[in-house]
Amino acid sequence: GQNIDQPTEMTATEGAIVQINCTYQTSGFNGLFWYQQHAGEAPTFLSYNVLDGLEEKGRFSSFLSRSKGYSYLLLKELQMKDSASYLCAVRDPSNSGGYQKVTFGTGTKLQVIP
Amino acid sequence: DGGITQSPKYLFRKEGQNVTLSCEQNLNHDAMYWYRQDPGQGLRLIYYSQIVNDFQKGDIAEGYSVSREKKESFPLTVTSAQKNPTAFYLCATIEEGSTDTQYFGPGTRLTVL
Repeated sequence: GQNIDQPTEMTATEGAIVQINCTYQTSGFNGLFWYQQHAGEAPTFLSYNVLDGLEEKGRFSSFLSRSKGYSYLLLKELQMKDSASYLCAVRDPSNSGGYQKVTFGTGTKLQVIP
Repeated sequence: DGGITQSPKYLFRKEGQNVTLSCEQNLNHDAMYWYRQDPGQGLRLIYYSQIVNDFQKGDIAEGYSVSREKKESFPLTVTSAQKNPTAFYLCATIEEGSTDTQYFGPGTRLTVL
């Protein structure tokens, strides 16, 4: 089966750094995605990791450790507009029929305060 | 402009009525998906289609139906058999390649009264 765990809520201060963790137990693994979702809107793609290590993209970085089933999203120089939910999702290639299933976590709601 | 459109943004229906949510894309992507999002839960897959005239059930297909007659369109019908239809519905496509990243439409919030 698939299980993805993220903290439900986090609060951080404008200008600070915040790390959002994600742990997963899945039948197979073929990549991990992070999405940002503002309230009432669609998720938007932030990052993708398939190999161990850190991927940096501007103020956002994402880290993966496949052996530990662990990833984190690091947000630097927080801005008020970063207040949103952050979804961790794992792609599992073990499904038959040629479809690589993506399982989403419940998301971490980040509130940035002045 | 390339993208995914879903209409309407908000939809209200009476209990017992079927309702169809539209999803259109001009990205030329083959694969399309329907998810449902409820408070406190992750996105759950309803149906997906990897190619025209073919679709497969996801994890929570009961009470829903789809069609894929054109590459650009993947409408979802919420039938009266769906016990808890009030939710936020998201349509997505996949940009085929090494990452198979999913891109989402703006969503339709369905409220059944």
